[in-house]
Amino acid sequence: TQLLEQSPQFLSIQEGENLTVYCNSSSVFSSLQWYRQEPGEGPVLLVTVVTGGEVKKLKRLTFQFGDARKDSSLHITAAQPGDTGLYLCAGADAGGTSYGKLTFGQGTILTVHP
Amino acid sequence: ETGVTQTPRHLVMGMTNKKSLKCEQHLGHNAMYWYKQSAKKPLELMFVYNFKEQTENNSVPSRFSPECPNSSHLFLHLHTLQPEDSALYLCASSQVGFRGISYEQYFGPGTRLTVT
Repeated sequence: TQLLEQSPQFLSIQEGENLTVYCNSSSVFSSLQWYRQEPGEGPVLLVTVVTGGEVKKLKRLTFQFGDARKDSSLHITAAQPGDTGLYLCAGADAGGTSYGKLTFGQGTILTVHP
Repeated sequence: ETGVTQTPRHLVMGMTNKKSLKCEQHLGHNAMYWYKQSAKKPLELMFVYNFKEQTENNSVPSRFSPECPNSSHLFLHLHTLQPEDSALYLCASSQVGFRGISYEQYFGPGTRLTVT
């Protein structure tokens, strides 16, 4: 069974601070996605990383996929109250027999105070 | 309509009721999923349909019954539920390619279910 450990579970910071969320596993993934979810809504895809060592930037968000494709991080620079939400990482099975199944981390609840 | 839609958005039902959740995807994907999201728990995969065929049933109780009449529509039929089944039920779709690999899932807004 593949597991994704996401940390921290909760993060409460002031506007303008930087933060990093981590996603770690002992399993190799063919790709890893990051989602953001607001209360009462479904997760919205932020980014997909596929290649080991890949770095992608989305405005103030920087996503990195580990060289071995077992871990990932999300870094937010100068956080804004609008960044508040639940952040989820999800890994796609590298084995190819899972018919598109994703393994989800437990999520990080981020609160950015004005 | 674009993306993945779900109806109803909110549902309150008694333990003896029968109801159905509906999901429709407008992305041309070939796989659809049902997830359960409870407070303080990771997303739990319930069912996977690939090319309308059920390829995964994660030990879900029989009081949940999925139906996938075509690659764009997915239903979750509910009967004799328990209060602990109260949760946000999310539908997702993806395009599954060679060797069953897909990269991204796109989620609907979910149905908030309360069982009384």
